[in-house]
Amino acid sequence: DSGVTQTPKHLITATGQRVTLRCSPRSGDLSVYWYQQSLDQGLQFLIQYYNGEERAKGNILERFSAQQFPDLHSELNLSSLELGDSALYFCASSAYGQGARETQYFGPGTRLLVL
Amino acid sequence: GENVEQHPSTLSVQEGDSAVIKCTYSDSASNYFPWYKQELGKGPQLIIDIRSNVGEKKDQRIAVTLNKTAKHFSLHITETQPEDSAVYFCAASFNDYKLSFGAGTTVTVRA
Repeated sequence: DSGVTQTPKHLITATGQRVTLRCSPRSGDLSVYWYQQSLDQGLQFLIQYYNGEERAKGNILERFSAQQFPDLHSELNLSSLELGDSALYFCASSAYGQGARETQYFGPGTRLLVL
Repeated sequence: GENVEQHPSTLSVQEGDSAVIKCTYSDSASNYFPWYKQELGKGPQLIIDIRSNVGEKKDQRIAVTLNKTAKHFSLHITETQPEDSAVYFCAASFNDYKLSFGAGTTVTVRA
């Protein structure tokens, strides 16, 4: 158990809808990273937050947004959902948001199915 | 951006034998190379990592080697056990906030 929690575990929704995925980092970690894992694209970095502020952006679509709250939990919002958004979404956390200088711990993921 | 290629995509080994997974990266400035193990229904777990100032690192039955000149790094698992069956991902990063992952290797250890 990495100490990172994600809810919900599974999510089934329809095209055009909007969903929110939630992540709580390990106790004491200030930084949160979001990743998307799909069969065709593999594991792709989406976005990183550090202590409430956006620090780095990856391959995140404009339809997706995220934020990190004062209690350090983070939410990933996915809107105008398309079939291709079906994937596993992982959250990871690290202590100081130093990227490659420190270990990232992954949560169990949220499996999103868009029908 | 960084491009990481991983081979093979699947690997089947007899219990007790060794398994080797290889990755190549494109950005010569990359300096951090972690390996993650993902079991069914779980998130990736860091199993070992290496930084560019080190050529080899070992942790019990797992070792990672890095060849900066050739821009490739490898994961070696010795004396494989059934619980080593999983998907393994390599990744690379240059003092960056994002990890670039390989496509993954599905390892099956036959009893």
